[in-house]
Amino acid sequence: QVHLEESGGGLVKPGGSLRLSCAASGFTFSDYYMSWIRQAPGKGLEWVSHIGHSGTTIYYADSVKGRFTISRDNAKNSVFLQMNSLRPEDTAVYYCARPYFDTSGYPGYWGQGTLVTVSS
Amino acid sequence: EVVLTQSPATLSVSPGDRATLSCRASQSVSSNLAWYQQKPGQAPRLLIYGASTRATGIPARFSGSGSGTEFTLTISSLQSEDCAVYYCQQYNNWPPGRAYTFGQGTKLEIK
Repeated sequence: QVHLEESGGGLVKPGGSLRLSCAASGFTFSDYYMSWIRQAPGKGLEWVSHIGHSGTTIYYADSVKGRFTISRDNAKNSVFLQMNSLRPEDTAVYYCARPYFDTSGYPGYWGQGTLVTVSS
Repeated sequence: EVVLTQSPATLSVSPGDRATLSCRASQSVSSNLAWYQQKPGQAPRLLIYGASTRATGIPARFSGSGSGTEFTLTISSLQSEDCAVYYCQQYNNWPPGRAYTFGQGTKLEIK
């Protein structure tokens, strides 16, 4: 079955960097675009970024554009989120997500999330 | 960017009663709308896509309706395990273009 597992979260100071990883299993990873979605404590869901099957199609939310970089390694069934110039408002649980169908625009499978805390 | 507004913010319903949750889009999203359930400490779970199609394994008491700008998630006979926050999400710009967006959520409480 589909399994997504995020790692790499933690406490970082404002202006610092962090790299999140998401290991996927249970499906043909290279057939799916992948997304990062975040949720600030006690708040709603915010789409952050997604990356196409081969890694050449990439989109970012305006709130992270220029600071975050998404990438993937199809040989290792993994997707990454490099986060630079972190701000307190980036504090959130970051979820890795896969679409329900390979062409669908709604995430049907989510990891358990990894918490990123940006604080001095 | 399409803004989704969910109402009410909090809904309190007795077990066995019907719960009706609303989601309004700032512009038409056709039927490109999904619903999610999120329980405390858990990731969201897909309930409905295409405005009205239940995802695999979702009980029949969950149903979705609407198109354009007005959507509804109905839970026909509320059970205690349905206590959660429910989010709508639009994906009208799919295949990948601009962002897809979520509503701010409706918290469903058991009375």
